[in-house]
Amino acid sequence: DQQVKQNSPSLSVQEGRISILNCDYTNSMFDYFLWYKKYPAEGPTFLISISSIKDKNEDGRFTVFLNKSAKHLSLHIVPSQPGDSAVYFCAAGLTFGEGTQLTVNP
Amino acid sequence: NAGVMQNPRHLVRRRGQEARLRCSPMKGHSHVYWYRQLPEEGLKFMVYLQKENIIDESGMPKERFSAEFPKEGPSILRIQQVVRGDSAAYFCASSPLLGQGAGMNTEAFFGQGTRLTVV
Repeated sequence: DQQVKQNSPSLSVQEGRISILNCDYTNSMFDYFLWYKKYPAEGPTFLISISSIKDKNEDGRFTVFLNKSAKHLSLHIVPSQPGDSAVYFCAAGLTFGEGTQLTVNP
Repeated sequence: NAGVMQNPRHLVRRRGQEARLRCSPMKGHSHVYWYRQLPEEGLKFMVYLQKENIIDESGMPKERFSAEFPKEGPSILRIQQVVRGDSAAYFCASSPLLGQGAGMNTEAFFGQGTRLTVV
């Protein structure tokens, strides 16, 4: 039973454009959501989070949107940079999604 | 302030041997989490521990795997009689606040992982 799902295993965008990564969850009890970024051969690092009392949280180029009724959240990166190329994990509670490999092409 | 320290970074074991993975949490953190990443897969939660207590082990395989976080010293993930399917990256994370199921409300800080290869 996968409570947190990232349905896109990969995403490719051009430098300077927007990257949108999506995440769905099934457990309505989740009240805090996080995005982590992971480079090869390294551990995940925290990127941005959002509490269920909000619908948007912004930090520089990164914005996370939460739609509670749809049990859906998304991470927007704009403008995208080649250094953003990594695997992005959505997390809620102790559960991680499968990850989305983002590739930003110069 | 040192981050989460995992050792060894790489571990090679023959089938049937035991693997011991160590994790020292960040200073001031009393909550430790272990995750496994199989090749080409995402991060799978294994176990959540506080000092001397296992809080949630719902992700731990029923046999051969055990974890502890003693009062003194690092957390240990032990895999007995390893098989090839245990080959994976094992990540440890720590946090300063209570993390429990749907109530976790803080980010976790991850170590660089231990890559276990069973030959």
